[in-house]
Amino acid sequence: DQQVKQNSPSLSVQEGRISILNCDYTNSMFDYFLWYKKYPAEGPTFLISISSIKDKNEDGRFTVFLNKSAKHLSLHIVPSQPGDSAVYFCAASLTTSGTYKYIFGTGTRLKVLA
Amino acid sequence: SAVISQKPSRDICQRGTSLTIQCQVDSQVTMMFWYRQQPGQSLTLIATANQGSEATYESGFVIDKFPISRPNLTFSTLTVSNMSPEDSSIYLCSVVLYGGNTFGSGTRLTVV
Repeated sequence: DQQVKQNSPSLSVQEGRISILNCDYTNSMFDYFLWYKKYPAEGPTFLISISSIKDKNEDGRFTVFLNKSAKHLSLHIVPSQPGDSAVYFCAASLTTSGTYKYIFGTGTRLKVLA
Repeated sequence: SAVISQKPSRDICQRGTSLTIQCQVDSQVTMMFWYRQQPGQSLTLIATANQGSEATYESGFVIDKFPISRPNLTFSTLTVSNMSPEDSSIYLCSVVLYGGNTFGSGTRLTVV
């Protein structure tokens, strides 16, 4: 049972436009969500996070939106740049467990076209 | 953020053999994590390795198959034992610092 789902395996966007990556989760107890970016032959790198007490968190070109009622989060990248081309993973955790366990989605491969 | 050195970066192994993956962190951390990413799948947590205690394994993973050592606060190893082609995967170690995981660059294992 996949608790965190990224239903779009790939996405192509023109440089300068907005990239929107989506993620759905099934466990309403998750209270902390993260996005990671992964380049080939490298480990995932932390990008941005959001706590369940917020519905938006912004960091430069990256904004994460959380819709708790829909159990849905999205990552917006604007403007998109060719260097943003990578695989993006969303992850969710239950911080009250104290275990720092993260459940990851399967990833979305973003390609930004110059 | 922490710097994690993981090796080997890749290996091709014969079925029935074992491979030990090493993970070195430049900071002292209490918890280290081992993940697996099978082709087309998400990152799946194998176990949590705390220094000075037995590793805690997730459902579907057992110590006999994936023994872990954690001799100090900066180092851990994961052994993939008695390998089969189904063990072909990317294995990653990870630590948590400042609210998010930092990952090693991964070990791409192919079992033939």
